[in-house]
Amino acid sequence: EAQVTQNPRYLITVTGKKLTVTCSQNMNHEYMSWYRQDPGLGLRQIYYSMNVEVTDKGDVPEGYKVSRKEKRNFPLILESPSPNQTSLYFCASSFVGNGNQPQHFGDGTRLSIL
Amino acid sequence: GESVGLHLPTLSVQEGDNSIINCAYSNSASDYFIWYKQESGKGPQFIIDIRSNMDKRQGQRVTVLLNKTVKHLSLQIAATQPGDSAVYFCAERNNAGGTSYGKLTFGQGTILTVHP
Repeated sequence: EAQVTQNPRYLITVTGKKLTVTCSQNMNHEYMSWYRQDPGLGLRQIYYSMNVEVTDKGDVPEGYKVSRKEKRNFPLILESPSPNQTSLYFCASSFVGNGNQPQHFGDGTRLSIL
Repeated sequence: GESVGLHLPTLSVQEGDNSIINCAYSNSASDYFIWYKQESGKGPQFIIDIRSNMDKRQGQRVTVLLNKTVKHLSLQIAATQPGDSAVYFCAERNNAGGTSYGKLTFGQGTILTVHP
């Protein structure tokens, strides 16, 4: 089954403790992206990657890192999490193609930073 | 339409009615638009998309209309069913200059409730 898989689905942790949220897709998509979803603010893009070893900032990259060493994986790293990073996070992927390709989303990771 | 603050617009319809969900997008240079459906506890699910060189596109039970003059996008759902109850988001992509291929900007969503 074609899918975007995020782990963990839920995490409660404390300020300053480094964490990684993994994202994997099995559709051979070149493009991958991370979003956070907050009430009243909708979905905002954190980082995206056009292909292996190519990453770029979205609208809210501060406090996050990403890497794209393999095509299928795009982990989101919070080096020193803070309470304002408590949110619902989504990973998405798509083909690049002619540029008009819908992104397919995972089911989300709910992070709580205490 | 788009929401202000923490309260999303809501639309309540009876099963079998047609639904129209509206979205005002922000950037006249946006060239690609997508509608997503998000059910509770799940990620956004692709419904239908449209490029800026079109003004209408139809899918199965859904139609998207694009009015670039007033920067307005709408999603029409025919014969709405209880399973259509969800939050619906529009998203726009502004790729002016070819430097923002993947940069989608999402609206805040509309809650659709379908009553049996």
